[in-house]
Amino acid sequence: QSVLTQPPSVSGAPGQRVTISCTGSSSNIGANYDVHWYQQLPGTAPKVLIFDSNNRPSGVPDRFSGSKSGTSASLAITGLQAGDEADYYCQSYDSSLSGYVFGTGTKVTVL
Amino acid sequence: EVQLLESGGVLVQPGGSLRLSCAASGFTFGDYAMSWVRQAPGKGLEWVSTIHGPGTATFYADSVKGRFTISRDNSKNTLYLQMNSLTAGDTAVYYCAKNQGHPLENWHFDYWGQGTLVTVSS
Repeated sequence: QSVLTQPPSVSGAPGQRVTISCTGSSSNIGANYDVHWYQQLPGTAPKVLIFDSNNRPSGVPDRFSGSKSGTSASLAITGLQAGDEADYYCQSYDSSLSGYVFGTGTKVTVL
Repeated sequence: EVQLLESGGVLVQPGGSLRLSCAASGFTFGDYAMSWVRQAPGKGLEWVSTIHGPGTATFYADSVKGRFTISRDNSKNTLYLQMNSLTAGDTAVYYCAKNQGHPLENWHFDYWGQGTLVTVSS
């Protein structure tokens, strides 16, 4: 049972903007630990998309952005493309568990 | 170019043991913490274990504590996961991942291997 909750799925038309929420608690996101986001394309290993809440590794388009507030974080994808269809996971640290935690995962579908 | 290549995943009976390996290249292996993350079929990601660069500190998820042991050989640029007392619940693709960031509570996984499948079944 993950301590970070995400919506199971979000969808949007090409070119639209979608957001994925990641809801935690006072022992993880609310404790001011950074949130990171990963994209997992079908049949492949996860890839880091956003690190330290709002930073993009080189090569990740600026269509992807992250934010954090209180006990929640969000990933926004603008200009949605067919190639963005994937599973997305948030990740942080939990002081009660003394370990790293992932979100439940969100499947993005491009209509 | 950073490369992580896992091996060792097989079909094993419940109660059995297995050792996974992850061969690393393209970076100074001993300078970075390394982790194992698993994904059960059709399920989400689950952090399993992390080991500091020198190998002096290790961390485990409660679900594997006491059964799994993470280790590394920095002279061989290789990460290991010894898995004992395996159950069906351990069936998953196991990914090796490189840690990045500071401090350790803010670590993320900046490079991942392709994964190796462990199936626990009789």
